Amino acid sequence: QVQLVQSGTEVKKPGSSVKVSCKASGVTYSNFNNYGFSWVRQAPGQGLEWMGGIIPVFGTANYAQKFEGRVTITADRTTSTTYMELSSLRSDDTAVYYCARPMGPSAGPTFQYHSYYMDVWGKGTTVIVSS
Amino acid sequence: DIVMTQTPLSLSVTPGQPASISCKSSQSLLHSDGKTYLYWYLQKPGQPPQLLIYEASNRFSGVPERFSGSGSGTDFTLKISRVEAEDVGVYSCLQSVDLLTFGGGTKVDIK
Repeated sequence: QVQLVQSGTEVKKPGSSVKVSCKASGVTYSNFNNYGFSWVRQAPGQGLEWMGGIIPVFGTANYAQKFEGRVTITADRTTSTTYMELSSLRSDDTAVYYCARPMGPSAGPTFQYHSYYMDVWGKGTTVIVSS
Repeated sequence: DIVMTQTPLSLSVTPGQPASISCKSSQSLLHSDGKTYLYWYLQKPGQPPQLLIYEASNRFSGVPERFSGSGSGTDFTLKISRVEAEDVGVYSCLQSVDLLTFGGGTKVDIK
């Protein structure tokens, strides 16, 4: 069954960090590295924001300029899991954080942003930042 | 970054009537491979987004035929030929030519 299972709700203090996990099922060990895994967030009453993503075969993650320096996205092939860590949390980081991926491997021979195809989504992880 | 501008912000539609949403990008979304990387998503209340249209005009698997996408370059449109009650939610466009950016969203409800 193709799905993404995210970790649970987090409540954090301003200035701290949060790490959210996203476990992918329906992805084999041999092709995990060829998926484009994305992280998208939605603050209360706001629109969707792509934070960044990782296509493991290309080694490094890609980040939206807004989050550069504050977010780290990693992937663990052995557990089919991706992680999003956001540091220096502020109250306006309160949001639902989603991971997303394509149904099948999306990486081509060279890196392209459109490999971050999103048709399978996790149910979301609520992160609340409050003192 | 490429800026995606959606209009209108909200839309109230009588069931059975058509609806149209516009999405304009600050740069062309035509990739060197000849494809246009513009997507449309619907987010129903309490749910993650669901893909409706990919590459500007291709209906995703299982999406009803009343949904259609059109446009090229920097101007795109999502049309619903006859709105049904289950179509309520927030519609967002997304580009993936250079990084990824979403439009601000259009909230659709039923009159």
